[in-house]
Amino acid sequence: QKEVEQNSGPLSVPEGAIASLNCTYSDRGSQSFFWYRQYSGKSPELIMFIYSNGDKEDGRFTAQLNKASQYVSLLIRDSQPSDSATYLCALMMDSSYKLIFGSGTRLLVRP
Amino acid sequence: DTEVTQTPKHLVMGMTNKKSLKCEQHMGHRAMYWYKQKAKKPPELMFVYSYEKLSINESVPSRFSPECPNSSLLNLHLHALQPEDSALYLCATSSGLPQETQYFGPGTRLLVL
Repeated sequence: QKEVEQNSGPLSVPEGAIASLNCTYSDRGSQSFFWYRQYSGKSPELIMFIYSNGDKEDGRFTAQLNKASQYVSLLIRDSQPSDSATYLCALMMDSSYKLIFGSGTRLLVRP
Repeated sequence: DTEVTQTPKHLVMGMTNKKSLKCEQHMGHRAMYWYKQKAKKPPELMFVYSYEKLSINESVPSRFSPECPNSSLLNLHLHALQPEDSALYLCATSSGLPQETQYFGPGTRLLVL
């Protein structure tokens, strides 16, 4: 079983809708969780990080963490065509420097 | 705007060449990383420097040689690469403590012929 699982997509949503991206992980020792956005041919760009159970909001983005169920999600409200990209979920174990990435979910926002 | 820069942006090299990739950060960070990313795959960690000391080597072949001359600079020396080493090479930085957020540079696109 992979350590971090993401649906590869593509997830297609209409402009203005809520996009929901999900990620599950296998190791309960995971402590820190990150969402990166990566446009084709570009480097990953940090969107959100979350350490505690619950929701964390930043503008149109909300990260949700549920450690008991071992999932983390990213909600994008009022999706825009410019949000079309691959979204990488990543985690770090306690006292670690190593980011463990999922394979990424490709999001397409239709105008 | 990025405070992590990488040069060159693109590099084409033959299998007998020696080249270097450079990463520079002005964020005051003390941990620096090299990742390799193949097409349609997530980044894979290669090396971690923490406070200018190599702390993680993810069993990378010796044809890749990292160097951290100071807290702002990170180099990756390349020698006798193979075509399968063609990839996007990403530098990242973080504050210096474990578990801290990593910020990526724009990357160097490497093609080995």
